[in-house]
Amino acid sequence: GESVGLHLPTLSVQEGDNSIINCAYSNSASDYFIWYKQESGKGPQFIIDIRSNMDKRQGQRVTVLLNKTVKHLSLQIAATQPGDSAVYFCAETLFGGKLIFGQGTELSVKP
Amino acid sequence: EAEVAQSPRYKITEKSQAVAFWCDPISGHATLYWYRQILGQGPELLVQFQDESVVDDSQLPKDRFSAERLKGVDSTLKIQPAELGDSAMYLCASSLRRGNEKLFFGSGTQLSVL
Repeated sequence: GESVGLHLPTLSVQEGDNSIINCAYSNSASDYFIWYKQESGKGPQFIIDIRSNMDKRQGQRVTVLLNKTVKHLSLQIAATQPGDSAVYFCAETLFGGKLIFGQGTELSVKP
Repeated sequence: EAEVAQSPRYKITEKSQAVAFWCDPISGHATLYWYRQILGQGPELLVQFQDESVVDDSQLPKDRFSAERLKGVDSTLKIQPAELGDSAMYLCASSLRRGNEKLFFGSGTQLSVL
């Protein structure tokens, strides 16, 4: 069936470096994408979203890029901090329907 | 900042016992969701409510799971009888309305079935 998947299950970066977390999606008709951050023992926390009519969206220290040609989504975190250590999930939906989550990437920030 | 409240945070039970989880969504949020998350995986939708009505329970194992949102505000998810494979994090989320994709999650209930 259709699914949202992540390229790398784990990512380790040095504090202060930029992080890039990737996600591949299979439903070319999906029109809305979200990145969630989940810290240990907590529920997913909304980070940033993007609609399919956009290529890029920026937030505070985070940027989401959408490449519809290759069905690829990425989350860029600038100047990664220890507090950014968590599991990051991408999720997709179509016409406000069920949100489908990927498996997750664990980001580890080394001081 | 308003939050989705869930209780209990942790629940340990024996196989074949009954368990129940409670969720209070953000005030004013009409849509409420129950998700199950297995360690290392993304959350999977179990049931979705719009006000007091179920709009999607296609992935809910109805032989043992039940969910209700009687007054369209807080909700209860029940498992009876619990099985070993039910061990997981049970997450509640809410959104302003159906079709509003921005979900706010609670901290979840970690269930361990022994």
